[in-house]
Amino acid sequence: SQQGEEDPQALSIQEGENATMNCSYKTSINNLQWYRQNSGRGLVHLILIRSNEREKHSGRLRVTLDTSKKSSSLLITASRAADTASYFCATDETYFQGAQKLVFGQGTRLTINP
Amino acid sequence: EAGVTQFPSHSVIEKGQTVTLRCDPISGHDNLYWYRRVMGKEIKFLLHFVKESKQDESGMPNNRFLAERTGGTYSTLKVQPAELEDSGVYFCASSPPGVTDTQYFGPGTRLTVL
Repeated sequence: SQQGEEDPQALSIQEGENATMNCSYKTSINNLQWYRQNSGRGLVHLILIRSNEREKHSGRLRVTLDTSKKSSSLLITASRAADTASYFCATDETYFQGAQKLVFGQGTRLTINP
Repeated sequence: EAGVTQFPSHSVIEKGQTVTLRCDPISGHDNLYWYRRVMGKEIKFLLHFVKESKQDESGMPNNRFLAERTGGTYSTLKVQPAELEDSGVYFCASSPPGVTDTQYFGPGTRLTVL
């Protein structure tokens, strides 16, 4: 089955810098989503980009999608300490009567240093 | 509106014991999903309920795992007997009727099998 794979696996930057994480996947998708998991907390949905979209913004987040390369990137601008978390991309896999399940990558561990 | 809740937040058990995890979806959400993240690997789909019916349980690792959703409200995931490799974080998610691409995740249950 398809799988999102994040790159890099770990990223450490200074507060205020921008952070870029990449995700690659293997098969065609309807949409791609990014989630964040703070240590010990649940998954928080950040943004969803559909296959016919190329770029989407939400606050300090910018997501791009290149379906020809089967890749996506998440850019966090002006990083803050609170952005320290693991970030996952998730693609959809349609199976039964159009229902979708999410296929996640292993995630990128982002650390923002003060 | 209350989000998805999971209980317990953390469970530590011995190998061979039984553990039951509970998930309460957002009210009115017919779709309920279980995922898990084992040993820092990717988050993997376990199964999907629509109301009380299992739509897809292809991700269930083996017959030591039993998920139920009697009455179509909350769901339980029982592991019996637990093995060391079952340690990880178990996430539950829910979505409204007819919507499966946007799933709302709970905080997860961290299971530690000693």
